[in-house]
Formats: sequence, C-alpha cells, structure tokens
Amino acid sequence: NAGVTQTPKFRVLKTGQSMTLLCAQDMNHEYMYWYRQDPGMGLRLIHYSVGEGTTAKGEVPDGYNVSRLKKQNFLLGLESAAPSQTSVYFCAMQTGPNSPLHFGNGTRLTVT
Amino acid sequence: AQKVTQAQTEISVVEKEDVTLDCVYETRDTTYYLFWYKQPPSGELVFLIRRNSFDEQNEISGRYSWNFQKSTSSFNFTITASQVVDSAVYFCAPSRRLPGAGSYQLTFGKGTKLSVIP
Repeated sequence: NAGVTQTPKFRVLKTGQSMTLLCAQDMNHEYMYWYRQDPGMGLRLIHYSVGEGTTAKGEVPDGYNVSRLKKQNFLLGLESAAPSQTSVYFCAMQTGPNSPLHFGNGTRLTVT
Repeated sequence: AQKVTQAQTEISVVEKEDVTLDCVYETRDTTYYLFWYKQPPSGELVFLIRRNSFDEQNEISGRYSWNFQKSTSSFNFTITASQVVDSAVYFCAPSRRLPGAGSYQLTFGKGTKLSVIP
C-alpha cells in the first residue's frame, strides 16, 4: 500500500492501559494522517501532520495523542484506553500536495 | 461541514451484470475533491479515483466509470460486467481543505457493500 506500514496489526488492551501505534512510510512525504473506522460510520480523521515536528487535531482527537519526531514516522498514542476506542485504525500518507491518500493495512484494536 | 450519503447499504448482483453505486454529498466549499475507495474483504483501502470539483467530465477506466454532476452534488460509480473480485465495500469521500497547504480531510460515507455472485 504505497509504502505505508502499520504496526501492530492486532492488539487487545484492557481499559486504562496505554499503547502506541506506529505508522512508517518508506519515502520522505510530508503529509500523514490517522483515521479510525467503526462499523456503520465510515472513517473519521483523528489527527494529522503536515510535516516533521507538526501535528494537528482532526474530527475526533479526544483520547489520542500523536507525535511526528521523524518525517518517516507518525505515532498515535492512547494514554488510557477505553472500550469506545475499540476500532480499526488506519494511517495514510500523501505523496504530494493534493494527491490522493494512500492507506496502510490497518491496526485492529480491541479494548476490554 | 460536509456530509456524504451512500443510500445503498448493500447490493447483490450476478456476475457480468452492470451495477451503479450512488453517492450524494453536501459541501459549502467551492473547490473540493471527490474520491472513491474500495475496501475488499481483506480490509485494506484501495484508492480508485480522485475528481476535482471543477472537472465535470465523466471518466472511464476499464470496467469502471464515474459520473460526476456538480448541479446535483452526485458522484456515481458504475462497474460494467461485474466480477467476483469486485466484491467489496466501496466508499465515496468528498474532501475539505485543512490548515496546511495541500492537506485535506476526507469525509467518508458509510459505504456500500457490493456482493458479486458467480
């Protein structure tokens, strides 16, 4: 998927635990995004980044933090997981301004 | 705010039939992009097409074609001579410009699940 790698692929957390999802691109592109997909709701934007060291909130940022210390990596953190964060998380990148988004293969997270 | 409606939740067709997936959107932006993505049972999201709001020409790519009508805010997708491999969930998504040149948010519809029966 256009050089976007997400780890892990699956994870089960207990309420209150923390974890970090990693998104890595094998190129040097500026724009990266984190979406979540829930049944019957399509995909919703959590946070995004327009370059190294910059992040911004999307549509549903509460309960998540992100970091973009290196251009290749965009990290999504859950400090205290809640069952409402059970979802499939997709990272995406753009290869250039106004270009299509290319998605990773997703991370399926279950919070019990 | 943007809104996108994919009224068909699920569609079943027999192989080789043509099928059209409907997409109607609402936007206050004068300039925007429209996208279609495919999500097969394996779960990945595959980019199919991007259309600029200024370009109302229809597009054909192999068995796929798209009909964009700005006057009715519709961007419909037709698969001709459907195949079993076309079975997937299809998402329509208009875009909204985000702060930061070149970045934008896609507003995804709830998707249409297409099943092609052999």
